[in-house]
Amino acid sequence: NAGVTQTPKFRVLKTGQSMTLLCAQDMNHEYMYWYRQDPGMGLRLIHYSVGEGTTAKGEVPDGYNVSRLKKQNFLLGLESAAPSQTSVYFCASSYSNAAVETQYFGPGTRLLVL
Amino acid sequence: AQSVTQLGSHVSVSEGALVLLRCNYSSSVPPYLFWYVQYPNQGLQLLLKYTTGATLVKGINGFEAEFKKSETSFHLTKPSAHMSDAAEYFCAVSDQGSSNTGKLIFGQGTTLQVKP
Repeated sequence: NAGVTQTPKFRVLKTGQSMTLLCAQDMNHEYMYWYRQDPGMGLRLIHYSVGEGTTAKGEVPDGYNVSRLKKQNFLLGLESAAPSQTSVYFCASSYSNAAVETQYFGPGTRLLVL
Repeated sequence: AQSVTQLGSHVSVSEGALVLLRCNYSSSVPPYLFWYVQYPNQGLQLLLKYTTGATLVKGINGFEAEFKKSETSFHLTKPSAHMSDAAEYFCAVSDQGSSNTGKLIFGQGTTLQVKP
């Protein structure tokens, strides 16, 4: 039982390049989330998904797109990377949308945009 | 709208000393509150959470937190710090807006340093 995994662990991009971050979970969770973590700002929600085939915007969605074609996978895409997107990205999943539900986090992807 | 404020971005304690990490929240509805810990180069993991019932919540690794409604606080404590407690700690409140998405709203984080 791997939990939540993220690929890649680290990536360097040039401004304008594109990339996709992959999140996978093997806990059969319905809900998945993408956060970014920046110093002094905690974690901020980018996009989330309430089930296969559905996605929604979070707090800071600009410059990102997502897809949830399979229940276990949640992809985060950067079409044209900008230095402001340099951050650590965390994926999380939860069994339900109940406010009391625990979210399970992946190990993170560190992205540097030059 | 809910929000979370963690007082002190860095806290330093000696090994064996009391750990106190402060968290205040604002919420127009009864809050669900969480503490997550992030060890170096790892993802976040749940330390403890308050939903309903007993206001003193015990978590993993000897940590506990007390929900104080009158003070809108959920401070995290541990009687005796261990070197392995060095990490970043996040307080969070569950977003209970009409969309009911299960989203978490995080504080800015507090880095705990434990000195030998």
